[in-house]
Amino acid sequence: SYELTQPPSVSVSPGQTASITCSGNKLGDKYAFWYQQKSGQSPVLVIYEDNKRPSGIPERFSGSNSGNTATLTISGTRAMDGADYYCQAWDRSNVVFGGGTKLTVL
Amino acid sequence: EVQLVESGGGLVKPGGSLRLSCAASGFTFTNAWMTWVRQAPGKGLEWVGRIRSETDGGTTDYAAPVKGRFTISRDDSKHTLYLQMNSLKTEDTAVYYCTTGGTYYGYWGQGTLVTVSS
Repeated sequence: SYELTQPPSVSVSPGQTASITCSGNKLGDKYAFWYQQKSGQSPVLVIYEDNKRPSGIPERFSGSNSGNTATLTISGTRAMDGADYYCQAWDRSNVVFGGGTKLTVL
Repeated sequence: EVQLVESGGGLVKPGGSLRLSCAASGFTFTNAWMTWVRQAPGKGLEWVGRIRSETDGGTTDYAAPVKGRFTISRDDSKHTLYLQMNSLKTEDTAVYYCTTGGTYYGYWGQGTLVTVSS
């Protein structure tokens, strides 16, 4: 079955750029999606189809996907961006989530 | 405004059954593919399965861990999505989210907690 791998944690200083990776076999041939989940809340879609932002998502969120790796980039990271982030892709009739990355802003 | 409200969670013994419901509003439910995603306590997101719109066949797909035990259905007249869970196992303990979409998920409900324990 298809698998997506994310680093368990990433730390970033306020105002700096955070990059969260998601690896999967030939992931660049598929679309990647990203969700933000703050503690005690439901997930929120922040990037779809590799690099598109839903309405209401700040411009500091961007995405890329090539080869075996998709990347979520948060520019000018704010304290409010601290959360768990999950990548997602679909393969045949199955949908797969990465294990999640805890972003700490300190 | 899109709203998804799950209900039906609770405590059930291993081997038991439970039916979750998701009441949808604020969008054209009839045209929507719908999906269930779950999250075990302190763990990541896990796709459970999806149902296509009736115009796209109304068929379902399931993740391997729940295939044969869980059934997703919909009542378009009531704008409601269902998840029938049978032969429940302790590892099915999770918050179950109802979401819109078949391949990615723009809207999520607040989730309903299912606890499988003796």
